[in-house]
Amino acid sequence: GENVEQHPSTLSVQEGDSAVIKCTYSDSASNYFPWYKQELGKRPQLIIDIRSNVGEKKDQRIAVTLNKTAKHFSLHITETQPEDSAVYFCAASRDSGYSTLTFGKGTMLLVSP
Amino acid sequence: DTGVSQDPRHKITKRGQNVTFRCDPISEHNRLYWYRQTLGQGPEFLTYFQNEAQLEKSRLLSDRFSAERPKGSFSTLEIQRTEQGDSAMYLCASSRASGETQYFGPGTRLLVL
Repeated sequence: GENVEQHPSTLSVQEGDSAVIKCTYSDSASNYFPWYKQELGKRPQLIIDIRSNVGEKKDQRIAVTLNKTAKHFSLHITETQPEDSAVYFCAASRDSGYSTLTFGKGTMLLVSP
Repeated sequence: DTGVSQDPRHKITKRGQNVTFRCDPISEHNRLYWYRQTLGQGPEFLTYFQNEAQLEKSRLLSDRFSAERPKGSFSTLEIQRTEQGDSAMYLCASSRASGETQYFGPGTRLLVL
């Protein structure tokens, strides 16, 4: 089955800095890669996703890049703000049929003012 | 709020007791997923439904666990003879179809004493 590794497990940055979280996956058939943000005691919420037919996707301060050859994808947050502080999870799945998500273990991001 | 809802939000039980959780997905969503999340980990897949059909079960889902979605709308997850190791957050998610965004509910936090 799929295995997703996520690094780092914790990340501390100053407000305004950029943050990068990296994930690798094992199943070459995976082609859908969402990122979820989970604040303490709350539900995971999708912040951005990417499918394997593109290499990069941006949404305001957030971007995701995908390298299918190397089987890794990354989340980039620019101009971080204290409200970005949360746990971020990457995930991977196949796009059709068996489509359950396999999650990484999460990255706790702390943005200090 | 038309998002995914779960009930109860918290459950404390004694070892050996049975518990049942309910999930109401977003209307029109055909797929419903159950995940388990323990502290410091990402959500782990348990099982999922396409309408009323249970299509996949993880090896994590022991014989003490059973899930139903009788009319293709809400779903229940029952744990029989609870053990302390069952203590976790149980998350439900739904999506319109295979490969589409999964939206999570707030979770049911189970504590087995």
